[in-house]
Amino acid sequence: DTGVSQDPRHKITKRGQNVTFRCDPISEHNRLYWYRQTLGQGPEFLTYFQNEAQLEKSRLLSDRFSAERPKGSFSTLEIQRTEQGDSAMYLCASSRAGQGAEAFFGQGTRLTVV
Amino acid sequence: KQEVTQIPAALSVPEGENLVLNCSFTDSAIYNLQWFRQDPGKGLTSLLLIQSSQREQTSGRLNASLDKSSGRSTLYIAASQPGDSATYLCAVIGGSTLGRLYFGRGTQLTVWP
Repeated sequence: DTGVSQDPRHKITKRGQNVTFRCDPISEHNRLYWYRQTLGQGPEFLTYFQNEAQLEKSRLLSDRFSAERPKGSFSTLEIQRTEQGDSAMYLCASSRAGQGAEAFFGQGTRLTVV
Repeated sequence: KQEVTQIPAALSVPEGENLVLNCSFTDSAIYNLQWFRQDPGKGLTSLLLIQSSQREQTSGRLNASLDKSSGRSTLYIAASQPGDSATYLCAVIGGSTLGRLYFGRGTQLTVWP
């Protein structure tokens, strides 16, 4: 399977715990995005990498959220001191460089904070 | 800020009908528009990508059109089938951001036998 891969698929955590999600993009894609989706809504942009550089961050990405892409390949999204409002589907996407390149999404990580 | 609206929010039709899903966006300075399908609890599957210089794209029973100047796109589904039941999302990539997608809330489609 050469698509975008996310791990884990599901995560249940207690409020206050830290969680980390991983995304492996399509190998030749140098752009990687994180989005968050809540029930009944479209995905909302969180952050974007081109290679290892984090080029854009949404105001939705509070100080408790951090994302890395250390070698320009896989990326991690960490949420510290989780809150119930963090419960959502976290989606990763990748694309080639270039204006308007097609984006491909992974299956997402469903986070439930109890 | 780019705003994307999809109408209708939900649609329920019998099998075999031809459907039109609508998408509108407020800023016409886009690079492309992409239609996605999302099954419950799953990620997004790309259906069609229309570059800003194009007017339409076709894939099988799907046809998407783009009128950039008026800020509109339509997704036409011919001869709908129960397997088409899903949420359909429209997204645009704006000219002022480096590849960020702006999404609508989607149209939830149910096709019954």
